Amino acid sequence: GEDVEQSLFLSVREGDSSVINCTYTDSSSTYLYWYKQEPGAGLQLLTYIFSNMDMKQDQRLTVLLNKKDKHLSLRIADTQTGDSAIYFCAEKAGANNLFFGTGTRLTVIP
Amino acid sequence: DVKVTQSSRYLVKRTGEKVFLECVQDMDHENMFWYRQDPGLGLRLIYFSYDVKMKEKGDIPEGYSVSREKKERFSLILESASTNQTSMYLCASSSLGDRGIVDYGYTFGSGTRLTVV
Repeated sequence: GEDVEQSLFLSVREGDSSVINCTYTDSSSTYLYWYKQEPGAGLQLLTYIFSNMDMKQDQRLTVLLNKKDKHLSLRIADTQTGDSAIYFCAEKAGANNLFFGTGTRLTVIP
Repeated sequence: DVKVTQSSRYLVKRTGEKVFLECVQDMDHENMFWYRQDPGLGLRLIYFSYDVKMKEKGDIPEGYSVSREKKERFSLILESASTNQTSMYLCASSSLGDRGIVDYGYTFGSGTRLTVV
């Protein structure tokens, strides 16, 4: 079955760039997503990338997709304390279901 | 502008109680999902539904049931709550896939933190 893996923790200093990595197994994925979860809240869609794209940029966020290696990354430029959260990657395989990674807890050190 | 509403943010229940967690979406989505979230385990799918009166087991359905009598409402039921069901419960919804338009994935509720004592 589908398997989506992420490292559990990442710490960066305020102002540095953060890179959160994700690997997935289903080569037929059509969309890949990044969700952000702030403390005590639900998940919010941060950005997504269609599987025929290599890169997508949205302000401070850059998503890179390497389909050959089934590797997805999220880069946050100029990381701020408000970026501290859990970040989940998810792949869409099939018509209706998403498969989520375990989440990466990003801690931004002032 | 809340689109997926979970009825309670925090709940405390006693072991053996029957517990209802309610989720309502106003986006006319066909699909609805219930997850539980535990530290280090990520999101685990309990049940999902693609249509009214339809339900499918997810990865961890034991000890849970669901009800979907109306399109906008998906209820999670803990038949007899136990302490190992203490968790954060997340409801999500999505539109039917493969429509040829951009798929924005799931919309999540704010979560219900359930404590069973």
